[in-house]
Amino acid sequence: GAGVSQSPRYKVAKRGQDVALRCDPISGHVSLFWYQQALGQGPEFLTYFQNEAQLDKSGLPSDRFFAERPEGSVSTLKIQRTQQEDSAVYLCASSHPLNEQFFGPGTRLTVL
Amino acid sequence: RKEVEQDPGPFNVPEGATVAFNCTYSNSASQSFFWYRQDCRKEPKLLMSVYSSGNEDGRFTAQLNRASQYISLLIRDSKLSDSATYLCVVNGGGNNRLAFGKGNQVVVIP
Repeated sequence: GAGVSQSPRYKVAKRGQDVALRCDPISGHVSLFWYQQALGQGPEFLTYFQNEAQLDKSGLPSDRFFAERPEGSVSTLKIQRTQQEDSAVYLCASSHPLNEQFFGPGTRLTVL
Repeated sequence: RKEVEQDPGPFNVPEGATVAFNCTYSNSASQSFFWYRQDCRKEPKLLMSVYSSGNEDGRFTAQLNRASQYISLLIRDSKLSDSATYLCVVNGGGNNRLAFGKGNQVVVIP
């Protein structure tokens, strides 16, 4: 079946621009996670949804980062007023609760 | 201090050789442990879970030492296709969020 998909795969933004990153989880997966992976580092947790409820947003680095999952399926990660330090790969993962997380291919964000 | 510490390497390994590496984790309450594999410019994929009794999957053997809070991975008879970054991963949060190490970069040389 189809895996986790993310769009766009690549995004170049000028500093100060707002961006929106989309994640389509595996159908039926209740849990959805966003991670940020900087170059040469492992992924870092950003936020977690169970259905439409955002249960943990402790990893969001600043109030410029906002995530939503209004209907409990597709999720959007929005970054306002992007900064150069936001350049990274943003990974989305989905799972059944307490089961293996399946990752999407990621969105590579470059902020100039 | 990061939740999961790994020495990134790289680990240059002759084809057919054995390579082993490990990681340490800081949260003694962690419940689940994994090794993920990540190829260059690709997403992480689960390689294997790690159990207290140790477990093996073909050429791969994983061990967990709860007392010392470290996890190891051993790859026997290395293949060129084993070249990748191996991420040590710990799940200690109630919401199932994963904490990743920096990864061990393995390069298998012909």
